[in-house]
Amino acid sequence: DQQVKQNSPSLSVQEGRISILNCDYTNSMFDYFLWYKKYPAEGPTFLISISSIKDKNEDGRFTVFLNKSAKHLSLHIVPSQPGDSAVYFCAASNRFYGQNFVFGPGTRLSVLP
Amino acid sequence: DGGITQSPKYLFRKEGQNVTLSCEQNLNHDAMYWYRQDPGQGLRLIYYSQIVNDFQKGDIAEGYSVSREKKESFPLTVTSAQKNPTAFYLCASSMRQGVTEAFFGQGTRLTVV
Repeated sequence: DQQVKQNSPSLSVQEGRISILNCDYTNSMFDYFLWYKKYPAEGPTFLISISSIKDKNEDGRFTVFLNKSAKHLSLHIVPSQPGDSAVYFCAASNRFYGQNFVFGPGTRLSVLP
Repeated sequence: DGGITQSPKYLFRKEGQNVTLSCEQNLNHDAMYWYRQDPGQGLRLIYYSQIVNDFQKGDIAEGYSVSREKKESFPLTVTSAQKNPTAFYLCASSMRQGVTEAFFGQGTRLTVV
């Protein structure tokens, strides 16, 4: 049973435009969400996180939106750059219980020049 | 510089042999984790440790073993009992399990020949 889903295996976006990566979760106990970026043959790099008490968190070109009622979060990258081309993983946990992170399968983003 | 170091980056093993993957961190993190990534899949948790001399099985622990004798070190042994050991292995650490973001090493690509 996949608790964290990323239904788009891949996404292509033109350089300078907005990239929107989506993530859905089924476990209503999750209260902490993270996005990671991964290049081939490297470890994932932490990008941005959001707690369930917020609905938006921004860090430079990256913004994460959380819709708790829909159990949905999204990562917006504006403007997209060729260096953003990578696989993006969504992850979730329950902070109160110190639950381990559960990762989605990832979305491969290609930013075209 | 603080970080997580995995070694070696590439490892080849003959069928029937055990092999140990190294993971060292100097971030003073309490929690450490081992994940496995297969092509087109997300990160699956093998083992985790919240504190020295304690560790727990993750979702796919069969055929693997770990130890946590020092806070900085969390080696993973892939035993001959692991049926499909060829994969990309990632070690991570976080200040506390599931509460703060995890930081990843660069990964070890294990190939069984």
